[in-house]
Amino acid sequence: DQQVKQNSPSLSVQEGRISILNCDYTNSMFDYFLWYKKYPAEGPTFLISISSIKDKNEDGRFTVFLNKSAKHLSLHIVPSQPGDSAVYFCAATSGSGTYKYIFGTGTRLKVLA
Amino acid sequence: GAVVSQHPSRVICKSGTSVKIECRSLDFQATTMFWYRQFPKQSLMLMATSNEGSKATYEQGVEKDKFLINHASLTLSTLTVTSAHPEDSSFYICSARHSKNEKLFFGSGTQLSVL
Repeated sequence: DQQVKQNSPSLSVQEGRISILNCDYTNSMFDYFLWYKKYPAEGPTFLISISSIKDKNEDGRFTVFLNKSAKHLSLHIVPSQPGDSAVYFCAATSGSGTYKYIFGTGTRLKVLA
Repeated sequence: GAVVSQHPSRVICKSGTSVKIECRSLDFQATTMFWYRQFPKQSLMLMATSNEGSKATYEQGVEKDKFLINHASLTLSTLTVTSAHPEDSSFYICSARHSKNEKLFFGSGTQLSVL
């Protein structure tokens, strides 16, 4: 049972436009969500997170939106840059302090110059 | 920033042999480290949680006798795949939880191929 789903395996966006990556989850106990970015042959690096008490968190070009009723979160990157091309994973946890993150399958973003 | 070194990055071994993968936090202490595996086009699946000085906690369905985890110091955890078989071929990745800021930092992963 995939508790965290990223239904789009890949996404291509023109440089300068907005990239929107989506993530859905099924477990209503999740209360903390993260986005990680992964380049080939490297480990995932933390990008941005959001607690369930918020519906939006912004950090520079990156904004994460959380819709708890729909159990959906999205990552917006604007403007998109070629260096943003990577695989993006969303992750969720119940915040019980165990840091057991459940990851989605990832979305490969390609930003075209 | 905090760095987690994972070694080796790639290993090819014969069926029946054991393989050890190391995960080191280079510039911070990590009381907790996590081990994941990833099959192609699938998500990172948590295998076990490793706490320094105590036994690892394994996720359901993960054989603890097959995947031996040792977390002997605050900067080193090892995963040993014992008597490896072709079905153990996968991408293994570790993460370390910074003991001060509690953020997770990932290693670069190990691609294991068992012939």
